[in-house]
Amino acid sequence: NAGVTQTPKFQVLKTGQSMTLQCAQDMNHEYMSWYRQDPGMGLRLIHYSVGAGITDQGEVPNGYNVSRSTTEDFPLRLLSAAPSQTSVYFCASSLGSGNAYEQYFGPGTRLTVT
Amino acid sequence: GENVEQHPSTLSVQEGDSAVIKCTYSDSASNYFPWYKQELGKGPQLIIDIRSNVGEKKDQRIAVTLNKTAKHFSLHITETQPEDSAVYFCAALNSGGYQKVTFGIGTKLQVIP
Repeated sequence: NAGVTQTPKFQVLKTGQSMTLQCAQDMNHEYMSWYRQDPGMGLRLIHYSVGAGITDQGEVPNGYNVSRSTTEDFPLRLLSAAPSQTSVYFCASSLGSGNAYEQYFGPGTRLTVT
Repeated sequence: GENVEQHPSTLSVQEGDSAVIKCTYSDSASNYFPWYKQELGKGPQLIIDIRSNVGEKKDQRIAVTLNKTAKHFSLHITETQPEDSAVYFCAALNSGGYQKVTFGIGTKLQVIP
């Protein structure tokens, strides 16, 4: 199993540009989440999904869109990039049933918006 | 919503000494408390967890304690080694519904050889 994969690893955008951060998992996990990591602020939840076709907002959703058309993929879209979105983005998945709460994280995407 | 506070933000210890990281949470409905280790350039990885019906759990050099009354939980690493150097995150989760996880801000642990 590859686990959780994210692409790209690094990205530089200009203010106003749009892009999609890709996330895929091959563990047949129902739950998937996007977090951003900023110095001194830990991991903050952007959006999450409890299954294909079902998404919801997390703590910091503004400026981001998600969709979940398949169990495996959960892309994160930046609609119009702003310098405040400079961050490291992590995708995570978990089984989401029974007592299986462990989240598996991808390697992250480091995004810089100039 | 849940609020998780984590202390200290940085911690330096000599190799072989113990390290303790402390967290508090606010939501009494939280019932699962994982700890994640993040090495440089990687995503966080679960190292140990504890559920609200248990007061302490050990796994080799790592232990976690939970005080539900005080809403405190702590990570203890004994006989620290240079490879323990990383950022450690505590978290709290309410297992009802989506199982939303709230993370602390992280503790950067440096083990000095």
